[in-house]
Amino acid sequence: GAGVSQTPSNKVTEKGKYVELRCDPISGHTALYWYRQSLGQGPEFLIYFQGTGAADDSGLPNDRFFAVRPEGSVSTLKIQRTERGDSAVYLCASSLGPPNEQFFGPGTRLTVL
Amino acid sequence: QQQVKQSPQSLIVQKGGISIINCAYENTAFDYFPWYQQFPGKGPALLIAIRPDVSEKKEGRFTISFNKSAKQFSLHIMDSQPGDSATYFCAASRQGGTYKYIFGTGTRLKVLA
Repeated sequence: GAGVSQTPSNKVTEKGKYVELRCDPISGHTALYWYRQSLGQGPEFLIYFQGTGAADDSGLPNDRFFAVRPEGSVSTLKIQRTERGDSAVYLCASSLGPPNEQFFGPGTRLTVL
Repeated sequence: QQQVKQSPQSLIVQKGGISIINCAYENTAFDYFPWYQQFPGKGPALLIAIRPDVSEKKEGRFTISFNKSAKQFSLHIMDSQPGDSATYFCAASRQGGTYKYIFGTGTRLKVLA
């Protein structure tokens, strides 16, 4: 079946702009995670959804970052007033729910000029 | 306490050789330790995972060795092949939480033909 998909695959924006990154999890997966991977680093946790609710948003770096999952499937990560330091690959993962394996999407490469 | 330290940063191995990557953690509450493989432009993919109730787990050419008292675990790739050339990440998570992964910084493996 289809894996986790993320759109767009690449996003270039200017400093100060607003961006939305989309994640389509594997069908039936109730858990959804967002991670951020900077160049040469391991992924860093941002936020976890169980169903529609954000069960853990402790990894969001500041209030410019926000994520939603209104129907318990697709999720959108929203970044306001982007900064150059936000440039990274944003990864989405889904699972049947803890403690099952997390399946990662290919990521969205965000570049803030 | 949330860190996972990974070494080496990069590794070059001859075809047919053994690749060994090491990780160490501090938080004794961690109880799930997966290894992920990542190719350029792709999301991480689960290779093998272990829980602390066993000291070793083998799947094909991949083996995890786990030392609970030392809080260390390692990945061994036997008969390394050029197709194994990728970046490898160890991770850790804890039961009862959200199972968010704490990743190591990654090891870039190159297997020479």
